[in-house]
Amino acid sequence: DIQMTQSPSTLSASVGDRVTITCRASQSISNHLAWYQQKPGTAPNLLIYKASYLHNADPSRFSGSGSGTEFTLTISSLQPDDFATYYCQQYDSSSRTFGQGTRVEI
Amino acid sequence: QVHLVQSGDEVKKPGASVKVSCKASGYPFSSYGVSWLRQAPGQGPEWMAWISGHNGKTEYAQKFQGRVTLTTSGNTAYMELTSLRRDDTAVYYCTRDPKILTGYYYLELWGQGTQVTVSS
Repeated sequence: DIQMTQSPSTLSASVGDRVTITCRASQSISNHLAWYQQKPGTAPNLLIYKASYLHNADPSRFSGSGSGTEFTLTISSLQPDDFATYYCQQYDSSSRTFGQGTRVEI
Repeated sequence: QVHLVQSGDEVKKPGASVKVSCKASGYPFSSYGVSWLRQAPGQGPEWMAWISGHNGKTEYAQKFQGRVTLTTSGNTAYMELTSLRRDDTAVYYCTRDPKILTGYYYLELWGQGTQVTVSS
């Protein structure tokens, strides 16, 4: 199975900060990567697909980049609604594995 | 509106089976796939299986082969998990993906989740 490793596991930040989360794949997955945001007690919500495509009406302060084995999710100016856990997921192989998550907290 | 609505929470004994439903509305069911995932407390999501809304073709994660069965009827998808163990306790989600239209499996729409608790 392809392993997905996120860093950091926890990130402390303030409103207005620029925040970057990294996701590394154990082998190349082209651009077959998605990012999800999850708030406590709710289902994850798709933010980014194909590594850099913003999903529907999601705020443009979110952006994704990368290809192959290294990817980043950037929040350009952190807002109060952005404090949540973020997961990357590869859908290149049949295992469709997730990273362990990055919790963004105040 | 586009929705996936799952059946209610379940409590089962070890060794039993559980069947969770996922009713789709607001979009052409046959144009999308449905994946099932679960999330144990404090853990990330774990992909379990996929079914085509077009022709019922299925794909299963190796870990769940033989214990999970996916079916569809009309615009409702079902996931049955057998031989339940305590470590199957988790929130189970159904999701929609655009595999049939685009070739990609990202999860663009999620159900609200169904808590399955396995306890004697």
